[in-house]
Parts: sequence; structure tokens; C-alpha cells
Amino acid sequence: GQNIDQPTEMTATEGAIVQINCTYQTSGFNGLFWYQQHAGEAPTFLSYNVLDGLEEKGRFSSFLSRSKGYSYLLLKELQMKDSASYLCAVRDANRDDKIIFGKGTRLHILP
Amino acid sequence: DADVTQTPRNRITKTGKRIMLECSQTKGHDRMYWYRQDPGLGLRLIYYSFDVKDINKGEISDGYSVSRQAQAKFSLSLESAIPNQTALYFCATSGLAGGETQYFGPGTRLLVL
Repeated sequence: GQNIDQPTEMTATEGAIVQINCTYQTSGFNGLFWYQQHAGEAPTFLSYNVLDGLEEKGRFSSFLSRSKGYSYLLLKELQMKDSASYLCAVRDANRDDKIIFGKGTRLHILP
Repeated sequence: DADVTQTPRNRITKTGKRIMLECSQTKGHDRMYWYRQDPGLGLRLIYYSFDVKDINKGEISDGYSVSRQAQAKFSLSLESAIPNQTALYFCATSGLAGGETQYFGPGTRLLVL
């Protein structure tokens, strides 16, 4: 089967750094994605990891450890517009390469 | 113009009615997906299609059907709508490459009374 766990909600302060963790269990890991979703809008792609290590893209970075079934999304210099849900998703090669989504982490940014 | 479009964007219907949600894409992708999203439950896959002749059930296909009319079009039907099908519905597409993400349409907000 497949299980993806991430915290339901987090709160952080404008200008600060926040780390959103994701753990997963899958039989055919074939990549991990992070998406951002503002309320009522479509998810938008943030990052992709398939090999261990850190991928940096501007204020956002994503880390993967395949042996631990663990990833995190790091957001730096938080801005009010970063208030959104962040979805961790895993591609499963044993399930038609489908992308399976976690339930998302709602991030609240305080001024 | 948007790469993935959905119609309608909002719909209110009554229990027992048949409705169709439509999705079109200009990305040239073979793979298309329908998801529903409910508060606290995340995105759940209803149906997916890898080409015009390929249709597959997702994790919550009961009460839904789909039609892949062309590479660019993938429709979702609720044969007899019920209130617990009230949700936000997303269509998505993806290419074949391993790192290819999914591209989502803007969503259809459906209310079944």
C-alpha cells in the first residue's frame, strides 16, 4: 500500500524559516513532488526529488532521503503570500506511475 | 490561454440529476486524471487515462464514469448525483517523463442539494 503523512497545520512568522516534513511508505518509489495550493485554487508545482539530497529553488528547497522515506520542504524569508496548503506527493512505479497525494499541510503566516 | 481548462467552474445541481464536467488541455499530454478534493481528505483520484483507448479506475470511482473523447478531452460524469459528491473537482494532465509533474485545471466547485 501507500501512506503519506504530513502535519495538518503549521504557523510561522513573516520573514522566518519553516520546515514542512513528509514521510511516506511506498512499494515503488519513483519521485516525490511538493505542490502549493491556495484556498479554492489548483495545486501548482514547487519541486521534484528523485535522488537523495537537497534541491534549491529560490526561497524554497526540498530534501529527500529515500532510505528513510522522508522529505521536507523548507521555506525561507516567509512572506504573507506563502500562506497556503503544501501537498507532498509520491509517484509510485508499481501503481501505473500514479502520483499519490498526502492530505496537505496548511501553513499560516503571521505578521 | 490556460493549458488545462475545466467547465463549468461552478455548478449547483439536485440529487438524482446527471451532470458532466469537462476538461480540455493544450499541452499535448497523453495522461489525464480526475480528482476530487474534500476538506481534510486531500486529493483523491477518481479515474485516469493514459491514452484515448485507456481508462482506469482510481481509488474512489463508484458513482462516477468518464469518457476520453480525444487526446485533449477527458469528461467526468455523475450518473445520479448525491449530496456527498459535493466537492471541488480537478482535472490534471502529465507527460511521460519520470520527473514530469501534473498540471492542474482551475477546478470545478460542485454542490449537490
